[in-house]
Amino acid sequence: AQSVAQPEDQVNVAEGNPLTVKCTYSVSGNPYLFWYVQYPNRGLQFLLKYITGDNLVKGSYGFEAEFNKSQTSFHLKKPSALVSDSALYFCAVKKSSASKIIFGSGTRLSIRP
Amino acid sequence: SAVISQKPSRDICQRGTSLTIQCQVDSQVTMMFWYRQQPGQSLTLIATANQGSEATYESGFVIDKFPISRPNLTFSTLTVSNMSPEDSSIYLCSVEDQSRAETQYFGPGTRLLVL
Repeated sequence: AQSVAQPEDQVNVAEGNPLTVKCTYSVSGNPYLFWYVQYPNRGLQFLLKYITGDNLVKGSYGFEAEFNKSQTSFHLKKPSALVSDSALYFCAVKKSSASKIIFGSGTRLSIRP
Repeated sequence: SAVISQKPSRDICQRGTSLTIQCQVDSQVTMMFWYRQQPGQSLTLIATANQGSEATYESGFVIDKFPISRPNLTFSTLTVSNMSPEDSSIYLCSVEDQSRAETQYFGPGTRLLVL
């Protein structure tokens, strides 16, 4: 069975500081890994994905994520946070051979000015 | 990426009534998905809708409560039947982009409040 965990319900960061939103996963085989962001009263927006290749993946709005196979992690990072980054972030995983995508519980990111 | 629209964007409904949510995509897609997001929670898959076949429902969801139609490759509807306050949620449709390593893209959601 596949699963994904986001251990932090909320992350608080000062504007201009680096941010990390944590994600760990459990899936057999080679996973497809995704990050989505949900702004208030909006649907989910795709940020980035890891399928294969370079472990560091760059995505939208200056975000990046690092795939770590030994630690089964896919943490989302940004070097310098903006107040506008405040939103709900979801990590997701799927098996490469299946269509069902599993979402984490979400992490609320709050960036203070 | 595909552009997805949903109607209505929000609604307030009375207990016992039904609401049909529409999902329209600007390109032909094979697989469409319906999710529920209850207040403050993550997304739960309701069903997968492929054109030309019956929808496949996840555990805990049944066709009588959430009938789905998929008449063509750009459109789907989800009906929430005999609603109760527990059905108050955001309902989202998504599509899978086969050309982009099976990434899913989401519509803006339908916010439903049942009184």
